[in-house]
Amino acid sequence: GDSVTQMEGPVTLSEEAFLTINCTYTATGYPSLFWYVQYPGEGLQLLLKATKADDKGSNKGFEATYRKETTSFHLEKGSVQVSDSAVYFCALRRREAGTALIFGKGTTLSVSS
Amino acid sequence: DVKVTQSSRYLVKRTGEKVFLECVQDMDHENMFWYRQDPGLGLRLIYFSYDVKMKEKGDIPEGYSVSREKKERFSLILESASTNQTSMYLCASSGDSVYEQYFGPGTRLTVT
Repeated sequence: GDSVTQMEGPVTLSEEAFLTINCTYTATGYPSLFWYVQYPGEGLQLLLKATKADDKGSNKGFEATYRKETTSFHLEKGSVQVSDSAVYFCALRRREAGTALIFGKGTTLSVSS
Repeated sequence: DVKVTQSSRYLVKRTGEKVFLECVQDMDHENMFWYRQDPGLGLRLIYFSYDVKMKEKGDIPEGYSVSREKKERFSLILESASTNQTSMYLCASSGDSVYEQYFGPGTRLTVT
């Protein structure tokens, strides 16, 4: 079945460091891909998305490119801030109607000043 | 902005009690979802609904049921709560024309 694999955490960085969180997927066809973020004590928020191959999603300085050839959707940010500390989830959704998101297990990011 | 609300942020119940978790969305979305979130396991889908009175089992439906009598409301029911159902429960909704889901703030349920 469809699945999403994320790099294990936690990831600990200093402020202004470069961030990469790896995400690869297995799916039938060409799903839509998402990154969600969960700040402490809150629900999940959509961070960015890409709906077809070579699309680049971006938001708040974060970017991810839909790579069909490597079935990947890695999250990057050039300079992290303390406020970026959160749990990040990669997810996919198949195109058929009435299907749910499939999530990775999440990667905890901790940024120190 | 889409708003998904859940009836409680924190809930403590006793083993064997019947528990209702309520979720309401205000964007006329067709699809609604219930997940549970546990450390190291990520989010796991319990049930979802793509229309009023329709429901589909997710990955872990055992011990749960759902009800969707109105389009905006989706309830998760624990028929007889057990300690292994202590978890964070997240509700989400999405429309048919967009793929992203919008999440509520979550309910942290403790069963003692």
